[in-house]
Amino acid sequence: DAKTTQPNSMESNEEEPVHLPCNHSTISGTDYIHWYRQLPSQGPEYVIHGLTSNVNNRMASLAIAEDRKSSTLILHRATLRDAAVYYCILRDLYSGAGSYQLTFGKGTKLSVIP
Amino acid sequence: NAGVTQTPKFQVLKTGQSMTLQCAQDMNHEYMSWYRQDPGMGLRLIHYSVGAGITDQGEVPNGYNVSRSTTEDFPLRLLSAAPSQTSVYFCASSYRVNSGNTIYFGEGSWLTVV
Repeated sequence: DAKTTQPNSMESNEEEPVHLPCNHSTISGTDYIHWYRQLPSQGPEYVIHGLTSNVNNRMASLAIAEDRKSSTLILHRATLRDAAVYYCILRDLYSGAGSYQLTFGKGTKLSVIP
Repeated sequence: NAGVTQTPKFQVLKTGQSMTLQCAQDMNHEYMSWYRQDPGMGLRLIHYSVGAGITDQGEVPNGYNVSRSTTEDFPLRLLSAAPSQTSVYFCASSYRVNSGNTIYFGEGSWLTVV
C-alpha cells in the first residue's frame, strides 16, 4: 500500500468543525482512501472511505483533492466523544498480496477542548 | 450480532509460557487478521488469512503462529512468550480483502509478559 502522512496531533474546541489532513502523494489510481478512528482503550472503528468524489455519512465528510494526492476528514461539530486517534489508510481496489497488508501508521491524535 | 469477539481481554504470562488468543467473528467474513499495538504506536500486522486454510505473515510475525480451520475462528498462538510481546492485540475481519469493505475490529486483548 502507498504511504500516508498525517500530523501527529491536533486540537479543536468542542462544537467547532475539525479538518484532519492526510497526504498520500504516491496514491495509485486504484487506491481507496479509508479513515478509521480509535477511541481510548478500544479497537479502531470505521469512519468513512472514498475513491475520487467527496463523501458524506452520519459521522463525517471526506474531501478528496482533485489530484487525489491529499484528503481531509471533516468532523462538522466536534464533541468530546470525538477525541481519538484518526488513521488515514489506502486500500487497493483489486485483491492482491499488496492489499492484504494494511498499514495504519501512527495517525493523528485529536484532542477536543470543552 | 456479536461482530468480532476476542478472548481473553487481559492476560499476564510468565516468560516462556505459551498461550492462545482467541478471535471469532459471526459475519461470514473471508478476511481476518491480527495486529499488535505498542504504546504510542500505530497498529502492526502480525498474520492474516484470506479464507479457511489460508494464512500468511504480516509485518511482525516472529514468535506467533496462526491457523484458520474455520471461517469464523482465527486464533493467535504465542509459542514461548517474551517480554517484547507485551502489547495490545487486535483481531480484525472484513467480508473481502479488497478496498470497498469495512474492517471490523475486536475490543483488544491486553497481554503482559513478565
